[in-house]
Amino acid sequence: KAGVTQTPRYLIKTRGQQVTLSCSPISGHRSVSWYQQTPGQGLQFLFEYFSETQRNKGNFPGRFSGRQFSNSRSEMNVSTLELGDSALYLCASSPTVLGNYGYTFGSGTRLTVV
Amino acid sequence: GEDVEQSLFLSVREGDSSVINCTYTDSSSTYLYWYKQEPGAGLQLLTYIFSNMDMKQDQRLTVLLNKKDKHLSLRIADTQTGDSAIYFCAEKPQGTGANNLFFGTGTRLTVIP
Repeated sequence: KAGVTQTPRYLIKTRGQQVTLSCSPISGHRSVSWYQQTPGQGLQFLFEYFSETQRNKGNFPGRFSGRQFSNSRSEMNVSTLELGDSALYLCASSPTVLGNYGYTFGSGTRLTVV
Repeated sequence: GEDVEQSLFLSVREGDSSVINCTYTDSSSTYLYWYKQEPGAGLQLLTYIFSNMDMKQDQRLTVLLNKKDKHLSLRIADTQTGDSAIYFCAEKPQGTGANNLFFGTGTRLTVIP
């Protein structure tokens, strides 16, 4: 059974550009969440999607957006990149909307903004 | 948001037991998780416990929950060099309508051969 797949693994972008990250959840999982991991702030919640609907959003500026497709795949977009957006972006999936039994995380996309 | 705290570092000798501690602040029922992160990798779910339980054991892993003190611990028996990683405690409060996890800062476990 394939795990959570995130592409690309690494990205280098310039300040002011925009970027799109992709996440394919485990087959059958309909809940997808995104987290940002930085050395200074640790792991912070970005958004949560279930059945193409954003159910919850973390405390990030509007430059951060996301969506989920009918096949449960999800994308997140960051516009007008800033140096502080450099981070490991992690996607997690769960078979249920509650996710009580834990989320399965992907290996992440490491974004570097120069 | 919820406040989840962990000590930053722990060193143990190979073969000894490791105990990683975590405190949380949510007062309602909650799910609590332990995740492991190896260098360059994502988070691997190790185990979880619901706040109406006191203990959960899974092979070398034992989770203890003191709900009164809001204290969670992860004990790794017979620690091996492959256990060297960062361990995150996470909380998911119930009844809030939100399903996101609140993570601690992570404890870097170093196993000395």
